[in-house]
Amino acid sequence: NAGVTQTPKFQVLKTGQSMTLQCAQDMNHNSMYWYRQDPGMGLRLIYYSASEGTTDKGEVPNGYNVSRLNKREFSLRLESAAPSQTSVYFCASFLGRAEAFFGQGTRLTVV
Amino acid sequence: QKEVEQNSGPLSVPEGAIASLNCTYSDRVSQSFFWYRQYSGKSPELIMSIYSNGDKEDGRFTAQLNKASQYVSLLIRDSQPSDSATYLCAPQGSSASKIIFGSGTRLSIRP
Repeated sequence: NAGVTQTPKFQVLKTGQSMTLQCAQDMNHNSMYWYRQDPGMGLRLIYYSASEGTTDKGEVPNGYNVSRLNKREFSLRLESAAPSQTSVYFCASFLGRAEAFFGQGTRLTVV
Repeated sequence: QKEVEQNSGPLSVPEGAIASLNCTYSDRVSQSFFWYRQYSGKSPELIMSIYSNGDKEDGRFTAQLNKASQYVSLLIRDSQPSDSATYLCAPQGSSASKIIFGSGTRLSIRP
Protein backbone atom coordinates (compact mmCIF):
# COMPACT_ATOMS: atom_id res chain seq x y z
CA ASN A 1 0.00 0.00 0.00
CA ALA A 2 1.42 3.25 -1.16
CA GLY A 3 3.02 5.39 1.54
CA VAL A 4 2.63 3.25 4.70
CA THR A 5 5.16 0.53 5.38
CA GLN A 6 4.84 -2.00 8.19
CA THR A 7 7.46 -4.46 9.36
CA PRO A 8 7.47 -7.36 9.83
CA LYS A 9 4.72 -8.88 7.66
CA PHE A 10 4.60 -12.12 9.65
CA GLN A 11 5.76 -13.00 13.16
CA VAL A 12 5.42 -15.95 15.51
CA LEU A 13 6.10 -15.31 19.19
CA LYS A 14 6.13 -17.47 22.24
CA THR A 15 4.00 -16.44 25.20
CA GLY A 16 5.88 -13.89 27.27
CA GLN A 17 8.20 -12.72 24.51
CA SER A 18 8.32 -9.07 23.50
CA MET A 19 8.44 -7.43 20.12
CA THR A 20 7.98 -4.11 18.36
CA LEU A 21 5.95 -3.58 15.22
CA GLN A 22 7.31 -0.79 13.08
CA CYS A 23 5.31 1.60 10.91
CA ALA A 24 6.54 4.43 8.72
CA GLN A 25 4.73 6.77 6.34
CA ASP A 26 6.20 9.10 3.77
CA MET A 27 3.17 11.30 3.11
CA ASN A 28 3.78 13.90 5.81
CA HIS A 29 0.56 12.96 7.62
CA ASN A 30 0.02 14.19 11.16
CA SER A 31 -2.18 11.36 12.45
CA MET A 32 -1.15 7.73 12.74
CA TYR A 33 -3.03 4.73 14.11
CA TRP A 34 -2.64 1.14 15.19
CA TYR A 35 -5.55 -1.29 14.80
CA ARG A 36 -5.95 -4.99 15.34
CA GLN A 37 -8.31 -7.22 13.39
CA ASP A 38 -9.36 -10.66 14.58
CA PRO A 39 -10.87 -13.24 12.20
CA GLY A 40 -14.28 -12.18 10.95
CA MET A 41 -14.13 -8.98 12.97
CA GLY A 42 -13.76 -5.32 12.24
CA LEU A 43 -10.85 -3.11 13.15
CA ARG A 44 -10.33 -2.20 16.80
CA LEU A 45 -8.29 0.86 17.66
CA ILE A 46 -5.34 0.17 19.96
CA TYR A 47 -3.57 3.55 20.09
CA TYR A 48 -3.37 6.62 17.96
CA SER A 49 -1.18 9.68 17.61
CA ALA A 50 -2.81 12.91 16.49
CA SER A 51 0.54 14.59 15.97
CA GLU A 52 4.21 14.14 16.63
CA GLY A 53 4.81 13.93 20.37
CA THR A 54 1.27 12.89 21.35
CA THR A 55 -0.32 9.48 21.80
CA ASP A 56 -3.73 8.42 23.07
CA LYS A 57 -5.43 5.16 24.01
CA GLY A 58 -8.01 3.65 21.75
CA GLU A 59 -10.54 0.89 22.41
CA VAL A 60 -8.17 -1.95 23.36
CA PRO A 61 -4.85 -0.52 24.68
CA ASN A 62 -4.13 -3.08 27.41
CA GLY A 63 -0.95 -5.06 26.81
CA TYR A 64 0.45 -2.56 24.31
CA ASN A 65 2.65 0.51 24.30
CA VAL A 66 3.39 2.94 21.49
CA SER A 67 6.02 5.47 20.52
CA ARG A 68 5.67 8.29 18.02
CA LEU A 69 9.34 8.55 17.25
CA ASN A 70 8.95 11.39 14.76
CA LYS A 71 6.37 12.49 12.22
CA ARG A 72 7.10 9.50 9.98
CA GLU A 73 7.29 6.65 12.46
CA PHE A 74 4.83 5.12 14.94
CA SER A 75 5.76 1.87 16.64
CA LEU A 76 3.68 -0.62 18.63
CA ARG A 77 5.29 -2.71 21.37
CA LEU A 78 4.08 -5.89 23.01
CA GLU A 79 6.00 -6.22 26.26
CA SER A 80 4.82 -9.73 27.18
CA ALA A 81 2.91 -11.39 24.37
CA ALA A 82 -0.19 -13.44 25.14
CA PRO A 83 -2.17 -15.82 22.89
CA SER A 84 -5.06 -13.30 23.01
CA GLN A 85 -2.85 -10.91 21.06
CA THR A 86 -2.81 -13.22 18.05
CA SER A 87 -4.25 -11.01 15.35
CA VAL A 88 -3.56 -9.00 12.22
CA TYR A 89 -2.21 -5.56 13.05
CA PHE A 90 -2.70 -2.60 10.75
CA CYS A 91 -1.00 0.75 10.87
CA ALA A 92 -2.73 3.67 9.18
CA SER A 93 -2.09 7.33 8.59
CA PHE A 94 -4.57 10.09 7.85
CA LEU A 95 -4.29 13.57 6.45
CA GLY A 96 -7.19 15.70 7.60
CA ARG A 97 -10.60 14.24 6.87
CA ALA A 98 -10.09 12.91 3.41
CA GLU A 99 -6.90 11.00 2.83
CA ALA A 100 -6.39 7.66 4.58
CA PHE A 101 -3.87 4.91 3.92
CA PHE A 102 -3.29 1.55 5.57
CA GLY A 103 -0.17 -0.54 5.70
CA GLN A 104 -0.22 -4.10 4.40
CA GLY A 105 -0.66 -5.57 7.88
CA THR A 106 1.38 -7.73 10.25
CA ARG A 107 0.10 -11.22 10.93
CA LEU A 108 1.12 -12.07 14.49
CA THR A 109 0.71 -15.48 16.09
CA VAL A 110 1.44 -16.00 19.78
CA VAL A 111 1.86 -19.64 20.80
CA GLN B 1 -24.15 0.42 23.12
CA LYS B 2 -21.33 0.09 20.65
CA GLU B 3 -19.94 3.31 19.24
CA VAL B 4 -20.49 2.12 15.67
CA GLU B 5 -22.95 -0.60 14.65
CA GLN B 6 -23.28 -2.44 11.37
CA ASN B 7 -25.10 -5.61 10.40
CA SER B 8 -22.42 -8.27 10.04
CA GLY B 9 -24.15 -9.99 7.13
CA PRO B 10 -23.49 -11.73 4.94
CA LEU B 11 -25.63 -9.63 2.66
CA SER B 12 -26.29 -11.45 -0.60
CA VAL B 13 -27.30 -9.35 -3.60
CA PRO B 14 -27.79 -10.45 -7.23
CA GLU B 15 -25.46 -9.02 -9.83
CA GLY B 16 -26.79 -5.78 -11.26
CA ALA B 17 -28.97 -4.98 -8.24
CA ILE B 18 -28.51 -2.26 -5.63
CA ALA B 19 -26.67 -3.18 -2.44
CA SER B 20 -27.59 -1.14 0.63
CA LEU B 21 -25.25 -1.04 3.61
CA ASN B 22 -26.16 0.69 6.85
CA CYS B 23 -24.31 2.09 9.83
CA THR B 24 -25.42 3.80 13.04
CA TYR B 25 -23.16 5.66 15.45
CA SER B 26 -23.48 6.89 19.01
CA ASP B 27 -21.21 9.95 19.12
CA ARG B 28 -23.46 12.91 18.30
CA VAL B 29 -20.52 15.20 17.62
CA SER B 30 -19.16 13.05 14.80
CA GLN B 31 -18.55 15.27 11.80
CA SER B 32 -16.82 13.09 9.23
CA PHE B 33 -17.82 9.65 8.00
CA PHE B 34 -15.83 7.15 5.99
CA TRP B 35 -16.67 3.95 4.14
CA TYR B 36 -13.89 1.44 3.56
CA ARG B 37 -13.83 -1.72 1.50
CA GLN B 38 -11.71 -4.68 2.56
CA TYR B 39 -11.11 -7.72 0.42
CA SER B 40 -10.28 -10.95 2.22
CA GLY B 41 -6.66 -10.95 3.37
CA LYS B 42 -6.08 -7.37 2.27
CA SER B 43 -5.89 -3.95 3.88
CA PRO B 44 -8.93 -1.65 4.02
CA GLU B 45 -9.16 0.98 1.31
CA LEU B 46 -11.12 4.21 1.48
CA ILE B 47 -13.97 4.37 -1.04
CA MET B 48 -16.18 7.22 0.18
CA SER B 49 -16.21 10.04 2.69
CA ILE B 50 -19.14 12.31 3.61
CA TYR B 51 -19.32 15.32 5.90
CA SER B 52 -22.72 16.95 5.28
CA ASN B 53 -26.28 15.72 5.60
CA GLY B 54 -27.71 14.37 2.38
CA ASP B 55 -26.29 12.31 -0.46
CA LYS B 56 -22.87 12.18 -2.05
CA GLU B 57 -22.37 10.27 -5.27
CA ASP B 58 -19.18 8.87 -6.75
CA GLY B 59 -19.66 6.61 -9.74
CA ARG B 60 -21.72 3.60 -8.69
CA PHE B 61 -21.42 4.52 -5.00
CA THR B 62 -23.71 6.86 -3.06
CA ALA B 63 -23.17 7.72 0.60
CA GLN B 64 -26.11 9.05 2.58
CA LEU B 65 -25.83 10.85 5.91
CA ASN B 66 -28.50 11.79 8.44
CA LYS B 67 -26.87 13.34 11.50
CA ALA B 68 -30.16 13.80 13.34
CA SER B 69 -30.77 10.05 13.17
CA GLN B 70 -27.05 9.26 13.58
CA TYR B 71 -27.21 7.11 10.50
CA VAL B 72 -24.99 6.75 7.46
CA SER B 73 -25.46 4.38 4.55
CA LEU B 74 -23.70 3.26 1.38
CA LEU B 75 -25.56 2.30 -1.77
CA ILE B 76 -23.83 0.39 -4.54
CA ARG B 77 -25.67 0.48 -7.86
CA ASP B 78 -25.26 -2.12 -10.60
CA SER B 79 -23.49 -4.47 -8.17
CA GLN B 80 -20.62 -6.45 -9.63
CA PRO B 81 -18.92 -9.63 -8.37
CA SER B 82 -15.85 -7.48 -7.70
CA ASP B 83 -17.90 -5.61 -5.09
CA SER B 84 -17.92 -8.74 -2.92
CA ALA B 85 -15.98 -7.66 0.15
CA THR B 86 -16.44 -6.45 3.70
CA TYR B 87 -17.52 -2.83 4.06
CA LEU B 88 -16.45 -0.92 7.14
CA CYS B 89 -18.04 2.25 8.44
CA ALA B 90 -15.92 4.75 10.40
CA PRO B 91 -17.32 7.98 11.88
CA GLN B 92 -14.73 10.43 13.11
CA GLY B 93 -15.43 10.84 16.81
CA SER B 94 -15.45 13.66 19.32
CA SER B 95 -11.68 13.75 19.34
CA ALA B 96 -10.79 15.10 15.95
CA SER B 97 -8.33 12.33 15.28
CA LYS B 98 -9.98 9.30 16.88
CA ILE B 99 -11.38 6.99 14.23
CA ILE B 100 -13.37 3.97 15.36
CA PHE B 101 -14.57 1.33 12.91
CA GLY B 102 -17.74 -0.69 12.84
CA SER B 103 -17.41 -4.46 12.74
CA GLY B 104 -18.17 -4.44 9.01
CA THR B 105 -20.82 -5.91 6.71
CA ARG B 106 -19.82 -8.77 4.48
CA LEU B 107 -21.32 -8.31 1.02
CA SER B 108 -21.60 -11.12 -1.50
CA ILE B 109 -22.70 -10.44 -5.10
CA ARG B 110 -24.13 -13.56 -6.68
CA PRO B 111 -23.99 -13.96 -10.49
